[in-house]
Amino acid sequence: GAGVSQSPSNKVTEKGKDVELRCDPISGHTALYWYRQSLGQGLEFLIYFQGNSAPDKSGLPSDRFSAERTGGSVSTLTIQRTQQEDSAVYLCASSPRQVQETQYFGPGTRLLVL
Amino acid sequence: AQSVSQHNHHVILSEAASLELGCNYSYGGTVNLFWYVQYPGQHLQLLLKYFSGDPLVKGIKGFEAEFIKSKFSFNLRKPSVQWSDTAEYFCAFSPAGGRRALTFGSGTRLQVQP
Repeated sequence: GAGVSQSPSNKVTEKGKDVELRCDPISGHTALYWYRQSLGQGLEFLIYFQGNSAPDKSGLPSDRFSAERTGGSVSTLTIQRTQQEDSAVYLCASSPRQVQETQYFGPGTRLLVL
Repeated sequence: AQSVSQHNHHVILSEAASLELGCNYSYGGTVNLFWYVQYPGQHLQLLLKYFSGDPLVKGIKGFEAEFIKSKFSFNLRKPSVQWSDTAEYFCAFSPAGGRRALTFGSGTRLQVQP
């Protein structure tokens, strides 16, 4: 079946602009995660959605970052007033209710802030 | 603080050589452990995972990993690598029964020469 999809695959923006990144999880998966991978770094957790529960936002680096998940499916990560240090690959993952510990990753969105 | 240390940043091997990639985690409780692989141009894929039971786990493509609790380690091994194993390998963990977001290491880039 279809895996996790993300759009756009690449995004170039100017410092100070807002960007929206989209994630379509695997159908039926209840949990959704956002991570980012900066150059030469491992993946850094940003935010986690589980069903209808309040999201775990503990990984968001600043209040410029926010995310929502509509209808328990698609998620949008928004970065306001982008900074150059926001340049990274933003990865989305989802996991099924039955095996919630195993996460399936999308291809990522490569964000470059000029 | 939770963290994962991957000691080798870049490993170069010849085909048929044996592989061992080190991974140590920092966390005081019970953990779920993972190795993910990212082949060139592809997204992250799960290689193997450990939740409980036999500390020696086998994954896809002939990979295995051993959980040594006393050493907080989860090293990845393969007896004979192939050119197609060229990829970046990430070790990760999540607290068992806790927040399911993964803590990743910074990755090891494996280059297998034919």
